[in-house]
Amino acid sequence: NAGVTQTPKFQVLKTGQSMTLQCAQDMNHEYMSWYRQDPGMGLRLIHYSVGAGITDQGEVPNGYNVSRSTTEDFPLRLLSAAPSQTSVYFCASSTIYEQYFGPGTRLTVT
Amino acid sequence: AQTVTQSQPEMSVQEAETVTLSCTYDTSENNYYLFWYKQPPSRQMILVIRQEAYKQQNATENRFSVNFQKAAKSFSLKISDSQLGDTAMYFCAFMKHAGANSKLTFGKGITLSVRP
Repeated sequence: NAGVTQTPKFQVLKTGQSMTLQCAQDMNHEYMSWYRQDPGMGLRLIHYSVGAGITDQGEVPNGYNVSRSTTEDFPLRLLSAAPSQTSVYFCASSTIYEQYFGPGTRLTVT
Repeated sequence: AQTVTQSQPEMSVQEAETVTLSCTYDTSENNYYLFWYKQPPSRQMILVIRQEAYKQQNATENRFSVNFQKAAKSFSLKISDSQLGDTAMYFCAFMKHAGANSKLTFGKGITLSVRP
């Protein structure tokens, strides 16, 4: 039981490039979320999903896209990377009252 | 919308002593959950303790306990017998109620240093 896995762990992008952060869970949870963590800001919700085929926006969705084709996977796409998207990204998989976080991806956009 | 406030950015405590981390929140909800998460230098988010708002009894987990004051909207974390491994960033978080899409609202966090 691997829990929540994220790849890659580190990534450097140039402004304007696109990429996908991968997230997978093997706990059969319906709820999955993406957060970004910035210094002095805590974690902020980007997008979330309550089940396969259903996604919705969180607090800071601009510049990001998500889809949920299976229960296990919830990828986060950066359409055109900007320096403001330099951050640490966490994926989480949830029961109705507890969230399990992945190890995070540190993304730097130059 | 809910807000979570952690007003102390940093704290320091001597090993084996007790420290209390403060958190206040604002909500119009009556049924909700509160959490404390620990983030050590490894970056992993670790659940420390959870409190259900409908429970009057304060949650405890070994050396960790909370002081939940619902009327005052206060949710502090007490760490007893502090250990060097407690050095980490600690986040207070709010969730509206079980099943509410499990969305968490986080405070900005506090950096705790335990001195040998």
